[in-house]
Amino acid sequence: AQKVTQAQTEISVVEKEDVTLDCVYETRDTTYYLFWYKQPPSGELVFLIRRNSFDEQNEISGRYSWNFQKSTSSFNFTITASQVVDSAVYFCALSEAGTTDSWGKLQFGAGTQVVVTP
Amino acid sequence: EPEVTQTPSHQVTQMGQEVILRCVPISNHLYFYWYRQILGQKVEFLVSFYNNEISEKSEIFDDQFSVERPDGSNFTLKIRSTKLEDSAMYFCASSEAFEAFFGQGTRLTVV
Repeated sequence: AQKVTQAQTEISVVEKEDVTLDCVYETRDTTYYLFWYKQPPSGELVFLIRRNSFDEQNEISGRYSWNFQKSTSSFNFTITASQVVDSAVYFCALSEAGTTDSWGKLQFGAGTQVVVTP
Repeated sequence: EPEVTQTPSHQVTQMGQEVILRCVPISNHLYFYWYRQILGQKVEFLVSFYNNEISEKSEIFDDQFSVERPDGSNFTLKIRSTKLEDSAMYFCASSEAFEAFFGQGTRLTVV
């Protein structure tokens, strides 16, 4: 069963528009971590944010912001005033509790391709 | 800033050959992982490694694959008798506690 769902396969925006990426997760654990990664065309995974299940505060980092809502099992990501350099695939991921070595075992969503045109 | 290093960045191999993908995790990390990403698809967990043994593996990680920590710094993924469908990006990651740090990946192309 899919544990992390990113329903949007591709979003196209014009530069300076805002874009919101949806992520819905499924877990029975009370302790878990959620992540967002960016994968530019060069292929590496760039870490953006980690959020633990006990911290529902929204977070803003520059043009990036994240909205974590446990009630709806969602961890959405917004890019404000998008730029061409934001064009990439963005992955949401879940890490569940269990044994200690579970923390590095991430379950990724299918990713959302963001295309920003000038 | 410490980072996970993978070599080579790109490897081309003939079908049926064995390949070894290499990773140097962050030095004080104790948990190591391999992930695979077939082109255009999501990143998939392959295996986790702790205390010199496999702690968990996915159904993808069959007898064709093996992992090893041959010395105090390297962590390797061996793929025996490669198939065309093994073509993918392979990511190594290491973890100390609550976050896995990923290497830049090795793109494996099987021809």
